[in-house]
Amino acid sequence: GAVVSQHPSWVICKSGTSVKIECRSLDFQATTMFWYRQFPKQSLMLMATSNEGSKATYEQGVEKDKFLINHASLTLSTLTVTSAHPEDSSFYICSISGGRSNEQFFGPGTRLTVL
Amino acid sequence: GNSVTQMEGPVTLSEEAFLTINCTYTATGYPSLFWYVQYPGEGLQLLLKATKADDKGSNKGFEATYRKETTSFHLEKGSVQVSDSAVYFCALIRGSTLGRLYFGRGTQLTVWP
Repeated sequence: GAVVSQHPSWVICKSGTSVKIECRSLDFQATTMFWYRQFPKQSLMLMATSNEGSKATYEQGVEKDKFLINHASLTLSTLTVTSAHPEDSSFYICSISGGRSNEQFFGPGTRLTVL
Repeated sequence: GNSVTQMEGPVTLSEEAFLTINCTYTATGYPSLFWYVQYPGEGLQLLLKATKADDKGSNKGFEATYRKETTSFHLEKGSVQVSDSAVYFCALIRGSTLGRLYFGRGTQLTVWP
């Protein structure tokens, strides 16, 4: 399957700062990427779907101005958490989808802690 | 709508015990069904999948059969190992669309030696 990386794997930041998380598809051209958020001991919540070269589609209840998604190429999508607050602390996971299979491939996740 | 319901965890077993994690779904059309596994501190990995009714997905000794009549996709393993300790997620994609995954809440499995 496809290999997906995320950077950084963990980040600690002060409240009010912005944090950028990268999701890279290392060996596959990903037309569609997904961003999920996972709270401790809970399931993954889809935040948004991004298609290369177009605006992301956000799920209901997700603030698009707070969680900026850019899918500039077939191998890179970024999620920027703007003006982060402690309640934004979470595990953020990206996945890619593409080709003829409906399988998704997941990155290892990024642990964000906002102090 | 589309949704996945998994049995509540945590599940604690002794090594070599039999494992069943129940999963049922609600979906329009003909979904594909998946089991993902998440080891501590890691992202999700696909464990197995089934794309149509009566298909059986299998991998690493785990099996699940797509049962359309009961809308179920229960995960089973005949003899668990300590290394199977992880969180297991049941999920579906509706039809063949390259669309979103609908996840269950996840079931924490702990296997003791």
